[in-house]
Amino acid sequence: QKEVEQNSGPLSVPEGAIASLNCTYSDRGSQSFFWYRQYSGKSPELIMSIYSNGDKEDGRFTAQLNKASQYVSLLIRDSQPSDSATYLCAVTDTGGFKTIFGAGTRLFVKA
Amino acid sequence: GAVVSQHPSWVICKSGTSVKIECRSLDFQATTMFWYRQFPKQSLMLMATSNEGSKATYEQGVEKDKFLINHASLTLSTLTVTSAHPEDSSFYICRGLTLAGTEAFFGQGTRLTVV
Repeated sequence: QKEVEQNSGPLSVPEGAIASLNCTYSDRGSQSFFWYRQYSGKSPELIMSIYSNGDKEDGRFTAQLNKASQYVSLLIRDSQPSDSATYLCAVTDTGGFKTIFGAGTRLFVKA
Repeated sequence: GAVVSQHPSWVICKSGTSVKIECRSLDFQATTMFWYRQFPKQSLMLMATSNEGSKATYEQGVEKDKFLINHASLTLSTLTVTSAHPEDSSFYICRGLTLAGTEAFFGQGTRLTVV
């Protein structure tokens, strides 16, 4: 059973701080990795995608991938109350077709 | 990004009735549509994968006769929940894969409540 594991949280950080979200996956052959943000009652929206080892930055968001450790992370700098949501880690399997989602980490940013 | 329009956004139905959920890709052709179900505070669970013009592939444990999926064109896929029961109450989301298979886009989701 291919799995994507996340700490369910909630993770609570003060406004302006860095929020760090982590994810591990079991399929060593996975090639594509994604972070989605999901507000309550809404469908997920794509924040970041990453395909190679290292860091990828987009505005306040940085995704980090370590395939050897089967680990993906998302850093949110200068966290804002509007960042409060559930963050889903998603990994595409070895075949590159099926995407498996983690259960999500709930983030609260306190004003 | 591209848009997948999903309707209705919410629906309340009586136990035993059927409900149809539609997903339309508005500005791209979706050869493949993934259908997910999400219970509160849980992850997205893939129910089935539909391909235009062929039968859907259902995940283990998902009843194909209860969750009817039709993908009649490259821009429209539907999920019909037949003989709905309260335990079918959930958030249903579609996700369309582009022809190139490089990008996928979520619909807005449908909140189904069976009373």
